[in-house]
Amino acid sequence: QVQLVESGGGVVQPGRSLRLSCAASGFTFSMYGMHWVRQAPGKGLEWVAVIRNDGNDKYYEDSVKGRFTISRDSSKNTVYLEMTSLRAEDTAVYYCAREDDETSSVGDYYYYIDVWGKGTTVIVSS
Amino acid sequence: DIQMTQSPSSLSASVGDRITITCRTDQSIDTYFNWYQQKPGKAPKLLIYATYNLQRGVPARFSGRDSGTDFILTISSLQPEDFATYYCQQSYRNIRFIFGQGTRVEMK
Repeated sequence: QVQLVESGGGVVQPGRSLRLSCAASGFTFSMYGMHWVRQAPGKGLEWVAVIRNDGNDKYYEDSVKGRFTISRDSSKNTVYLEMTSLRAEDTAVYYCAREDDETSSVGDYYYYIDVWGKGTTVIVSS
Repeated sequence: DIQMTQSPSSLSASVGDRITITCRTDQSIDTYFNWYQQKPGKAPKLLIYATYNLQRGVPARFSGRDSGTDFILTISSLQPEDFATYYCQQSYRNIRFIFGQGTRVEMK
């Protein structure tokens, strides 16, 4: 079955770095874009980043631009989130998610998240 | 910067009620909305994509539409399993994805 399993979360001091991984299985990884979405304790969802299926197009939420890097390794069916200069406000559950798409009759693309992992917790604290 | 507001932040309703949740954006060009349901301690679940389209396996009581700068999720007859938090997600030019603040649907 389609599955996403995140790992790499933990407790880290402010200013330090952490790398999250997400192992995908049950689908053709190279055909799908992948997102990271986070949720601070008791708060709503916040989109973090997306990497499209070819790995060339990457986009980020403004507050993580320049600090976080999303990447993928199709030989390992894995997507990564490298997080540097971590701040207390980065504390959250980080979800890995698969992006599916649909094309309209006039060729417009519509993207949406259709599969989510269970999440990995990152706590930034001294 | 795009300004998007989801309302209400919470609502109380009974089984069988019709409820609507609205997300208003100041950027409706090159934009569409997806809708998700989240239950406590669980990952979100896709309900509606590209504003109008029902995800496979989602009951037909869920529907999405737009009205100018408003994007609306409707549950036509609330069921016990629908008590949850709902999020809209705006996609702008397919390069920015903004979640709404969430609407918690509680039992009256």
